[in-house]
Amino acid sequence: DIQMTQSPSSMSVSLGDTVTIICRASQDVGLYVNWFQQKPGKSPRRMIYHTTNLADGVPSRFSGSRSGSDYSLTISSLESEDVADYYCLQYDEYPPTFGSGTKLEIK
Amino acid sequence: EIQLQESGPGLVKPSQSLSLTCSVTGYTITSGSDWSWIRKFPGNKMEWMGYISNSGDTDYNPSLEIRISITRDTSKNQFFLQLNSVTAEDTATYYCARNYFDYWGQGVMVTVSS
Repeated sequence: DIQMTQSPSSMSVSLGDTVTIICRASQDVGLYVNWFQQKPGKSPRRMIYHTTNLADGVPSRFSGSRSGSDYSLTISSLESEDVADYYCLQYDEYPPTFGSGTKLEIK
Repeated sequence: EIQLQESGPGLVKPSQSLSLTCSVTGYTITSGSDWSWIRKFPGNKMEWMGYISNSGDTDYNPSLEIRISITRDTSKNQFFLQLNSVTAEDTATYYCARNYFDYWGQGVMVTVSS
């Protein structure tokens, strides 16, 4: 299976910060990476699909990018509603595999 | 709007089978999308379990292949998960989702315990 190594596992952040979360793929997954946000008691919400595409209704402060085998989710000007867990997912090769998650907390 | 909802028992005994239903509204499951089951363990690891295609084909995570079955009832617009010979390690929140991962159910927590 393809491993998606996600970092950091947690981040202590301030409102207004720019936050970057990274997933490193163990082999080439092309652009087949999604990012999800999950809040307690809720189901995952797709934020970014196909590495760079903003999902419907997602604020423009969210963005996705790729550099080699590293895939990034960036949140500019963090707002309180962005405090959540975030996961990457590769779906280039079956089985799809998730990163281990990043928990954002407010300082 | 597409909506998915999981249902099934929240407690299953070890060695028994876990059976869940995903009811889909707002979209016909034979229309063109595929449909997955995904679970999230305590400790937050997430695992894709398998899918059933719009034509009824299935594909499973090799880690579960000998224990899992995904089926559907097109007349009810539902698809199902069966996981056999469960252990405490199958305790998780189970989600159904469209295979683009854009629509998810709210999740059902299943505990395996005697």
